[in-house]
Amino acid sequence: AQSVTQLGSHVSVSEGALVLLRCNYSSSVPPYLFWYVQYPNQGLQLLLKYTSAATLVKGINGFEAEFKKSETSFHLTKPSAHMSDAAEYFCAVSGPRGGSYIPTFGRGTSLIVHP
Amino acid sequence: DTGVSQDPRHKITKRGQNVTFRCDPISEHNRLYWYRQTLGQGPEFLTYFQNEAQLEKSRLLSDRFSAERPKGSFSTLEIQRTEQGDSAMYLCASSSGKGTDTQYFGPGTRLTVL
Repeated sequence: AQSVTQLGSHVSVSEGALVLLRCNYSSSVPPYLFWYVQYPNQGLQLLLKYTSAATLVKGINGFEAEFKKSETSFHLTKPSAHMSDAAEYFCAVSGPRGGSYIPTFGRGTSLIVHP
Repeated sequence: DTGVSQDPRHKITKRGQNVTFRCDPISEHNRLYWYRQTLGQGPEFLTYFQNEAQLEKSRLLSDRFSAERPKGSFSTLEIQRTEQGDSAMYLCASSSGKGTDTQYFGPGTRLTVL
């Protein structure tokens, strides 16, 4: 069984400030971990993924995340927020499941960026 | 490669009507997935296909829901006798079935049942 908990349904930052979105996971097997972003009325876009290689993963749009096994965490960060980063962010965990890696998603965190 | 496409983007229907959605995956991807997303929630898995075979169905997929992928390319999701609780965004994703099997999502179909 696998699950994801995203701490904070809303995170508000000022433009130029650090972005930190929290994700904790539970998995009975070594996990694959993902962050997706969703803009209003659109599908999900992959930001980055962890697949058991480097623990610090760099993604698109300046985002990165660090896999910490001891803390079962995969928090998403960006040094400087931009207005265009305002969106819904989803953390997801997957592992082998009948031959496919079907992710389980968290409930999402809405990032609000103030000018 | 034009990505995953879905049609229609929006559908408004009356309770009790049948609706059908279409998903066209990335051309070289042999796996296709359907998810449902309600307001304030993450996507919830409904079902997935490898080529034309439907390999897994979630308990969320009631008897009123049926999905097909007849030629292993596009897929359809039909909901019969729609209920107001079916109102949601229906997302399709595809993957290559190789390596980390990362899924790529389409823009979704938003269903509103009146």
